[in-house]
Amino acid sequence: QKEVEQNSGPLSVPEGAIASLNCTYSDRGSQSFFWYRQYSGKSPELIMSIYSNGDKEDGRFTAQLNKASQYVSLLIRDSQPSDSATYLCAVSSINYQLIWGAGTKLIIKP
Amino acid sequence: DVKVTQSSRYLVKRTGEKVFLECVQDMDHENMFWYRQDPGLGLRLIYFSYDVKMKEKGDIPEGYSVSREKKERFSLILESASTNQTSMYLCASSFRGASTDTQYFGPGTRLTVL
Repeated sequence: QKEVEQNSGPLSVPEGAIASLNCTYSDRGSQSFFWYRQYSGKSPELIMSIYSNGDKEDGRFTAQLNKASQYVSLLIRDSQPSDSATYLCAVSSINYQLIWGAGTKLIIKP
Repeated sequence: DVKVTQSSRYLVKRTGEKVFLECVQDMDHENMFWYRQDPGLGLRLIYFSYDVKMKEKGDIPEGYSVSREKKERFSLILESASTNQTSMYLCASSFRGASTDTQYFGPGTRLTVL
């Protein structure tokens, strides 16, 4: 059974600090890795995608991938109250499917 | 921008009714997916389709069927709605290409079965 594991949280971070979200996956054949943000009652929206080992930065967001350790993370710098949401990690699988983690709830405290 | 639309944001149905949920995407994506999302259980794949008239069962297909007669439209059908099908239903689409598995979601339909 292919799995994606995330800490369910909630993860509480002070405003302005760095939020660090982590995800591990079981399928060594996975090639594509994604972070989605989901506000309560809304649908998931793509934040970052990463395909090769190392870091990828986009504004306040940095995705980190380590295929040897089967680990992907998302860093959010200068956290804002608007970053409070559930963050879903997804990993590519066969037939264009994604395997989804259950999500980490992030709370940014003003 | 990719746009995925779903026919209803909120829907209330009675047990035993036949329910149709429709999803339309405007980006010529080959792949389309139906998920349900319940608290604590994450996203669970019901059915997906990677071409017109093609369909594949996901992890939880029981009690559901799908139809894809046109590339842009993917319908989810609850043949006889039951209370345990009360959930948030999410449609997604993606382009079929190397390393481009990004899925784009519609706004979701919150279905309540009484």
